[in-house]
Amino acid sequence: KAGVTQTPRYLIKTRGQQVTLSCSPISGHRSVSWYQQTPGQGLQFLFEYFSETQRNKGNFPGRFSGRQFSNSRSEMNVSTLELGDSALYLCASSLIWTGASYNEQFFGPGTRLTVL
Amino acid sequence: AQSVTQLDSHVSVSEGTPVLLRCNYSSSYSPSLFWYVQHPNKGLQLLLKYTSAATLVKGINGFEAEFKKSETSFHLTKPSAHMSDAAEYFCVVSENNNNDMRFGAGTRLTVKP
Repeated sequence: KAGVTQTPRYLIKTRGQQVTLSCSPISGHRSVSWYQQTPGQGLQFLFEYFSETQRNKGNFPGRFSGRQFSNSRSEMNVSTLELGDSALYLCASSLIWTGASYNEQFFGPGTRLTVL
Repeated sequence: AQSVTQLDSHVSVSEGTPVLLRCNYSSSYSPSLFWYVQHPNKGLQLLLKYTSAATLVKGINGFEAEFKKSETSFHLTKPSAHMSDAAEYFCVVSENNNNDMRFGAGTRLTVKP
């Protein structure tokens, strides 16, 4: 079974631009979560999507947004890029969220975004 | 809100000696706790998880962790370190079994030959 894939793997942008990152979950997984990883702030939760709806959201400004498609693929968008947005962005998928039991999250390799 | 504190940013051990990576958590509800490992240029891999079943949890690659509610701790241990264990380890807490996971700052494990 193919794992979580993220595209692109590396990206270089300049301040003020916008960027869209893509995540394809494991086949059959309906929940997709996004995380930002930086040396200073560590791993921080951005948001989670399930059945095309945002279910949870971390403490990030509105410049960070996402969406999920009917095939569970997800994209996240960052507008008006700032230098501090340089980070590794990780996507994780899980089978289903029942609210009664935890389902393991499987992480992709990440997209490394550099903002110049 | 839930949070975790990993007490050591860096741990160095010799191959064949025990590993102890410390984690304390804070949660208003019955938490789920996890340890993930991240090798260089790789995604995160789940080592083990605690979800209110047995307090001693066994994971992959010989790792285990014990949930101690009285101490709000979930330390990760391994009896004998292997060179391939060198990586970054993250302790994670989640409340109410949702996917809002809070990660610790990470502990970098170095294994010396």
